[in-house]
Amino acid sequence: GAVVSQHPSRVICKSGTSVKIECRSLDFQATTMFWYRQFPKQSLMLMATSNEGSKATYEQGVEKDKFLINHASLTLSTLTVTSAHPEDSSFYICSASDFSYEQYFGPGTRLTVT
Amino acid sequence: QKEVEQDPGPLSVPEGAIVSLNCTYSNSAFQYFMWYRQYSRKGPELLMYTYSSGNKEDGRFTAQVDKSSKYISLFIRDSQPSDSATYLCAMSEATDSWGKLQFGAGTQVVVTP
Repeated sequence: GAVVSQHPSRVICKSGTSVKIECRSLDFQATTMFWYRQFPKQSLMLMATSNEGSKATYEQGVEKDKFLINHASLTLSTLTVTSAHPEDSSFYICSASDFSYEQYFGPGTRLTVT
Repeated sequence: QKEVEQDPGPLSVPEGAIVSLNCTYSNSAFQYFMWYRQYSRKGPELLMYTYSSGNKEDGRFTAQVDKSSKYISLFIRDSQPSDSATYLCAMSEATDSWGKLQFGAGTQVVVTP
C-alpha cells in the first residue's frame, strides 16, 4: 500500500517551454503533497507544500510564478515548470501524506532542459 | 550552517560488516527523526523513524537518537551488497504530523562482496 507515482519519469524539453509533472497517490487520499528538487549528489530541497483545494505554500527562494503547483484532488498534484531554462534541470520528487505521519515518496522525474 | 549535517561519503564496507551512519543537527525543535534509503535515480524509501530520543530496532537496522547531543545514528548489521545505496537522514519539527522534512545531504554506502 501507500504507492505514489510520478509521470513522466524522464523529460527533455527545450529552453523556454513549459513542462508539467504529475504526482498521484494510487491507493490512498493525500491531504498534503510536497514537491522536492534534488541536484546531483545533493540532498532533497523542499520547494513547496500543497493541501488539496488550497494554494501551495512555497519555500523561501522558490519562484511561485515559475513553479506552478496545483492540488486539485486528493490523489493528484501537478508541478508545472514554466519557461524552463537549463538551470532548472534537476530531479523532481513528490511526496504525499494522508492523515498519518509518514510521507510517501514518488519515484522522481528527471528534467533536462536543453 | 546547514540545519542537518551528514557526511556524503562514500562509505565502503565489506559484506557482513556493520555500517554506521550518522547526522548532526542544530535545530533543537526537531521531534521526528527518519532514515531513508535512496537508490540511484529513484525516490527515497523510508527505513525507520523515531520520535524524540531513544533507540529503535527493526531487523538488521537500529536507529538511535540523542537529542542532548543533537546526534542521530543508523546501524546496519550483516550488510549485504543490496544495501549499497544513499542513506538520507531527515527531521521534522512537527508534533502532530511530519510536515516539512529537513534532509541531510545523504551518505553513499557501498557494500563490497
